[in-house]
Amino acid sequence: NAGVTQTPKFRILKIGQSMTLQCAQDMNHNYMYWYRQDPGMGLKLIYYSVGAGITDKGEVPNGYNVSRSTTEDFPLRLELAAPSQTSVYFCASSYQGASTGELFFGEGSRLTVL
Amino acid sequence: QQQVKQSPQSLIVQKGGISIINCAYENTAFDYFPWYQQFPGKGPALLIAIRPDVSEKKEGRFTISFNKSAKQFSLHIMDSQPGDSATYFCAASILNDKIIFGKGTRLHILP
Repeated sequence: NAGVTQTPKFRILKIGQSMTLQCAQDMNHNYMYWYRQDPGMGLKLIYYSVGAGITDKGEVPNGYNVSRSTTEDFPLRLELAAPSQTSVYFCASSYQGASTGELFFGEGSRLTVL
Repeated sequence: QQQVKQSPQSLIVQKGGISIINCAYENTAFDYFPWYQQFPGKGPALLIAIRPDVSEKKEGRFTISFNKSAKQFSLHIMDSQPGDSATYFCAASILNDKIIFGKGTRLHILP
């Protein structure tokens, strides 16, 4: 069981560069989420999706974009990277949605912007 | 109103002792309160969860106590073990499927 797979695990970007964090799940979950985790700050929701073709903003969406063309994949795009985007990014999925079911997290992608 | 306030930020407990982590919320629309456990280098994983219609839920050594009137809930880890050393997050969800996390508690169990 692969569960939620995130790539890359580590990445260093220069200010102004762009990149895409990949997330794939093999559990046929409709709900998918992107969080960022900063030391002492918990997990902040960036974007989420309730199904293919549907996305919505979370608490901290500025500087990010997402798409959901398939049930399995939910990539997160960073445009014009800034040092404030240095963080650990977690993708998660859920069958029933966060208010009724368990979130399954990937192992994270650690991004450093210099 | 969307915040979940978690304390303490860090906690050191002797092996065999009781670890207690507290959370408080303001939004009475929250209807699901999970706790997640995270080991270094890993993503969080669901540990235990409760709904506001019960005051306590126990799973093995882990217990959630819920006080609806005070808008507080807590995680108790009985007979704490070194393997319990991790970061713990409380969370609350609201009706539109968003989940709000606390800032986390780093727990260290002394052997």
